[in-house]
Amino acid sequence: QQQVKQSPQSLIVQKGGISIINCAYENTAFDYFPWYQQFPGKGPALLIAIRPDVSEKKEGRFTISFNKSAKQFSLHIMDSQPGDSATYFCAASKGSGTYKYIFGTGTRLKVLA
Amino acid sequence: DTGVSQDPRHKITKRGQNVTFRCDPISEHNRLYWYRQTLGQGPEFLTYFQNEAQLEKSRLLSDRFSAERPKGSFSTLEIQRTEQGDSAMYLCASSSLAGAGEQFFGPGTRLTVL
Repeated sequence: QQQVKQSPQSLIVQKGGISIINCAYENTAFDYFPWYQQFPGKGPALLIAIRPDVSEKKEGRFTISFNKSAKQFSLHIMDSQPGDSATYFCAASKGSGTYKYIFGTGTRLKVLA
Repeated sequence: DTGVSQDPRHKITKRGQNVTFRCDPISEHNRLYWYRQTLGQGPEFLTYFQNEAQLEKSRLLSDRFSAERPKGSFSTLEIQRTEQGDSAMYLCASSSLAGAGEQFFGPGTRLTVL
């Protein structure tokens, strides 16, 4: 119940294309769902986050789609650029207590120039 | 730079030695987290502090691990009698009590146990 499942493990996209990464969770107590971007040798950096009261959130080229009934959420990167090449992690946390994150296993994205 | 800082960035040690890592959170942040990340995996929660109180520890945190946050400012994570399985990136994150759950991560400490 604590797991967050992420797919695909790796993704190759042409420059200008759309990158889509999916995550699924089981614990209905989760109510905060962030996406983090991590470059080699660096700590994760927050990209965008969503709460279950909305079905979509967009910030620039990044969009989260959220399906509460299916317990799934996804990250869409529009107009993907070579600089987007990184590892992306979804996460989930409960809205009470410690707010610790449960992370997915990550998706390594490579955007070809 | 007012972000989360960690020291050292890299640590190589021999099996059986003790190591200590330091994390300096964003100054106004009350919450502090330690995570461990192994190659090809997402970070895993280790422990959480609210101010100086350690409020949760993961089952991953064996008796060889201890963490402190004196005076609710910086935090230290000590690993005693290191084992090769302890080799990982140790990440620190902080957030504010008023925040919507957003955690700010430091650059991590890469531990290699030979």
